Amino acid sequence: QKEVEQNSGPLSVPEGAIASLNCTYSDRVSQSFFWYRQYSGKSPELIMSIYSNGDKEDGRFTAQLNKASQYVSLLIRDSQPSDSATYLCAVQPNDYKLSFGAGTTVTVRA
Amino acid sequence: GAGVSQSPSNKVTEKGKDVELRCDPISGHTALYWYRQRLGQGLEFLIYFQGNSAPDKSGLPSDRFSAERTGESVSTLTIQRTQQEDSAVYLCASSLTRDRTDTQYFGPGTRLTVL
Repeated sequence: QKEVEQNSGPLSVPEGAIASLNCTYSDRVSQSFFWYRQYSGKSPELIMSIYSNGDKEDGRFTAQLNKASQYVSLLIRDSQPSDSATYLCAVQPNDYKLSFGAGTTVTVRA
Repeated sequence: GAGVSQSPSNKVTEKGKDVELRCDPISGHTALYWYRQRLGQGLEFLIYFQGNSAPDKSGLPSDRFSAERTGESVSTLTIQRTQQEDSAVYLCASSLTRDRTDTQYFGPGTRLTVL
């Protein structure tokens, strides 16, 4: 079993719609969770971090964490063409190493 | 301020040759990480430095891989006797400390192609 699994995608959504990305993880002791955005040929960029159960909102992005279910998600509201990228879920089992999922590619259709 | 920089941006080498990849972290960042990203896959942790020490080398795939950091700054990842399966993008990241709330900032990566 992979440490971090994401829905495989690709995910195609129309402009203005909500994009929903899911991630599950295997290490129950994980305390820190991140979503990185990676444009094609570019390095990953942190867009959200979440440490407690529940929702965390930042602009058009909402991260949701459920530690009991070992599940973290990212919602992108009012999707824009500039949101087209690969989204990487990362989990931090200890206090430095990040374990990444394979990523979900999102395409926002204008 | 300046972000994480890496060089070279691209490296093409022949199987069996040695390569050196360089990372310049953000100034003042004590923690430095190397990751590898194979085509279509997520990032794979290789090694972590705190200052000049590497307390966790668990991700290095074989003894052909080594890394060092000097002056609590520049780091070099060396791959000896390269193999085709070493082809990947090698990403370096740095963070202010090793604390889990400190963001890891990534460099642009070095794309290594082993022919």
